[in-house]
Amino acid sequence: QLQLHESGPGLVEPSETLSLTCSASGDSITRDSNFWGWARRAPGKGLEWIGTVQFGGSTYYNPSLHGRATISLDSSRSQFFLSLRTVTAADTAVYYCARLTFTRYFDLWGRGTLVTVSS
Amino acid sequence: DIQMTQSPSTLSASVGETVTITCRASQSVTTWVAWYQLKPETAPALLIYKTSNLQDGVPSRFSGSGSGTEFTLTISSLQPEDFATYFCQQYRNPPWTFGQGTRVDIK
Repeated sequence: QLQLHESGPGLVEPSETLSLTCSASGDSITRDSNFWGWARRAPGKGLEWIGTVQFGGSTYYNPSLHGRATISLDSSRSQFFLSLRTVTAADTAVYYCARLTFTRYFDLWGRGTLVTVSS
Repeated sequence: DIQMTQSPSTLSASVGETVTITCRASQSVTTWVAWYQLKPETAPALLIYKTSNLQDGVPSRFSGSGSGTEFTLTISSLQPEDFATYFCQQYRNPPWTFGQGTRVDIK
């Protein structure tokens, strides 16, 4: 049974880069039909899709992030990554990694990791 | 972007009650809607996809309906483990967008 687990710093300073890793265990992440992505939930707000990467390396991002996000995949290590540049307090959120189906709903999630942006 | 407006934002109910959560899309998403359950310190769970399809392992007391711009999630005979926050999501057009969430509290 595939499981996803987020890891990374819980505190990032303003204007720095937030970097998170999602590690998959229990199964392969190399099936072409799946997509791998990130979403977040800021305090008191709803969920926001950040972006998605496909096994072949194609990426798709939410325009609301204005080009600050990069998602990459290392299938040999069963990991994928999020980098979010030039963070502000508005980027404080619980960040989730997830698997998306071909039609783009999220069928498997990690437990999430809280990232606080503060000096 | 397609806006998903979810209501109510909070709902208080008792065990055994039936509750309904509504999600309205700012434009038609045909039937490309999913519903999720979030609890603190646990991975979010997919409940329903394509409006009314129950994800494997999800109890049959959860059901979904709708089309176009209006969708509902119904929980029949609420159980103690159902007290959580629920979100809808449209996946008709990118960017994929979610509702603001409905927290279901114990009355």
